[in-house]
Parts: sequence; structure tokens; C-alpha cells
Amino acid sequence: DIVMTQSPDSLAVSLGERATINCKSSQSILYSSNNKNHLAWYQQNPGQPPKLLFFWASTRVAGVPDRFSGSGSGTDFTLTISSLQAEDVAVYYCQQYYTTPNTFGQGTKLEIK
Amino acid sequence: EVQLVESGGGLVQPGRSLRLSCTTSGFTFAYYAMAWVRQAPGKGLEWIGVITNKASGGTTEYAASVKGRFTISRDDSKSIAYLQMNSLKTEDTALYYCARIRGAPLPDASDVWGQGTVVTVSS
Repeated sequence: DIVMTQSPDSLAVSLGERATINCKSSQSILYSSNNKNHLAWYQQNPGQPPKLLFFWASTRVAGVPDRFSGSGSGTDFTLTISSLQAEDVAVYYCQQYYTTPNTFGQGTKLEIK
Repeated sequence: EVQLVESGGGLVQPGRSLRLSCTTSGFTFAYYAMAWVRQAPGKGLEWIGVITNKASGGTTEYAASVKGRFTISRDDSKSIAYLQMNSLKTEDTALYYCARIRGAPLPDASDVWGQGTVVTVSS
């Protein structure tokens, strides 16, 4: 199985500051036939189901604010929030869909400092 | 409006069975693969399994933790996905989500999620 490791486990950032969450896969999830990274980012607010933010590592879902960005390739990926807003407090998960089981990272809890 | 609604959760004794349903609306169910994901209390997300659409063979894949005990199926005529859970263990206690896989065929991310149904396995 591909192991997804997020860092840090928790993060406290001041309002308006940048937040960066990392996700590392135990093997490359860049699919050669389509040259796409099979990685998704989700946001989960308390008591709510996960919400898809990005697929193909960097394709933003419609309606997701552009302060959110996804980057990376191969085995190393990053979710960045350029200017943290109060509503961004949540747990963030990465997931690989390169192969089954489509494993998730352990999650990163983002809080306001 | 695209919707997924899970049902069938509850309290069940270890070793017993339970069947969850994921009733969908607002999209052409037959076109999409469907996944099940669970979340134990206070824990992260665990992918359980997936069923492809019929055009891709309606094949299933499972996580090792549930393989041989859980079965995913689908009824395209009713737009419902199912999760049959047998030989339940206390460690299966979780909130169970169904999710739509955004592309066809696999693989792709899960773009629509239900609110989940709680399964508690306890004597």
C-alpha cells in the first residue's frame, strides 16, 4: 500500500498569514500515461463530511477560494493557504488515488494562533 | 442538487452483520464509481473500498482491513450503493461515508460526500 504522510500534524497560524501543509507519498503517484499526479486534498470541518478542494494535485474545485493552492509532483505535495481566514480552521487530508487502496494522510489540524 | 444519503447504521453486536445504503439523487448514478470511507471517533479518514460503474465491469476493491468481510454492491435502477458488513468487529465502529468518484473510469478523487451513518459495534 502507498503510505501518505502529512506534516505537521497540527498547525497554528495567525489570521492573514500563510499556512503550509505537506504531504509525502511512499512512492511516486505521477501516472506516466496521463502525466498527472493522482492526489487530492480535502477539508473537513467539525461534524461535516470532507470537502474536495483539489484533484490532480493542483486543480482547484470550482468555488474554492483562490487563496488555496495545491502544488507538487511525484512524491511531495503541498497545500498552501496564502492568507488564513477564520473559516479555514479545519482538518486537511491528502489522498492518493494512484492505486487501491486509495490511502489518506493522517490529517493536519489547522488552527488560529 | 446532487445528494448522497447514507442509512442503515446502528448498534450491532460483534460478529453480526449490517447493510448500509447510499441513496443518491441529482446525477446519473450509473455513470459513476462509488466509494465508501469511514472515520472512527476522533480519528482520520480510512478508505474502505470502491465499486466501478458497470461500463468498467462493476468491479470492487477493498482495504485489507475489511476484505473478505465487507462487500460493496450497486443497484443502478435505484441509484443506490450498498455496503454489506459481515463479521463485524469492535474496531469497525465508525462514521461511514459514501462518496462519488468524480471521473469515469477510475481512478479519481471523491467530489461528493454524504453526511455519513454511524455504526457502533459493541456487546
